[in-house]
Amino acid sequence: QSVLTQPPSASGTPGQRVTISCSGSSSNIGSNTVNWYQQLPGTAPKLLIYSNNQRPSGVPDRFSGSKSGTSASLAISGLQSEDEADYYCAAWDDSLNALFGGGTKLTVL
Amino acid sequence: QITLKESGPTLVKPTQTLTLTCTFSGFSLSTSGVGVGWIRQPPGKALEWLALIYWNDDKRYSPSLKSRLTITKDTSKNQVVLTMTNMDPVDTATYYCAHRLKVGATCWFDPWGQGTLVTVSS
Repeated sequence: QSVLTQPPSASGTPGQRVTISCSGSSSNIGSNTVNWYQQLPGTAPKLLIYSNNQRPSGVPDRFSGSKSGTSASLAISGLQSEDEADYYCAAWDDSLNALFGGGTKLTVL
Repeated sequence: QITLKESGPTLVKPTQTLTLTCTFSGFSLSTSGVGVGWIRQPPGKALEWLALIYWNDDKRYSPSLKSRLTITKDTSKNQVVLTMTNMDPVDTATYYCAHRLKVGATCWFDPWGQGTLVTVSS
C-alpha cells in the first residue's frame, strides 16, 4: 500500500484531456514538491514533471502538473496513443525518504 | 550526458544476499547535492524506493527494508553498490538505480538506468 494514493487506471480517447490525481499528507506532498514519472511499456521510468509543474526539456507542453495542499494532479491534454503508459507521482517526506504513488495505468481508447 | 547501468545476478536463492552495482557516467558523486538512489519494481507492480546515498556519504533507507539494506559508493570508480540480505521470492523485481538531482529545495530522480531483473527462487 503506497503512501501516495493514485487511481489504478484512467482512460481517454485521442484528443481528450485526462487528469491523474495523487493524494498524500502534510508530511509529504503538503510540505514538499511533487514529481511525476512516465513509464512506457517495458522501459524504465522517465521524469515527466518536476517541482510540481516544471517540464524537463523535451517533454511536450501537453503535459502539466499542479499541486494544492496535500494533493497533486497530472493533466494530459490532446491525448495521443503514444501517451499510453503508467504514470507515477513521487514526493519526499519530512524524513528525507522518497515516496512513490501506486501508479496509474493510462489507456488511450 | 548522464548514464547509469545496473549489474548483478539475475537469479538468487532464498536467504542469500543480493549485491547490485550501479555504474554511472556524466557526473561525479563527489559534487555537492548529488545523490544516487535505488528503486525496485516487482513484475506488474508499483515502484518502491529502497535507498539513497549522497555526495557527502549521508545515506537514507526505506524504513520497511532498512534492516536488510546497505548502500555504499566508490567515487573513484563511479559506482554505487546496494546489498540486500535474506532475499525472499517477494523480492523478485526489476531493480533500478537513478541519479538524484537537487536544485534549491527541490529534488528528483533523473535519469534512470535501464534496470536489472532479479529473480529469487530455489
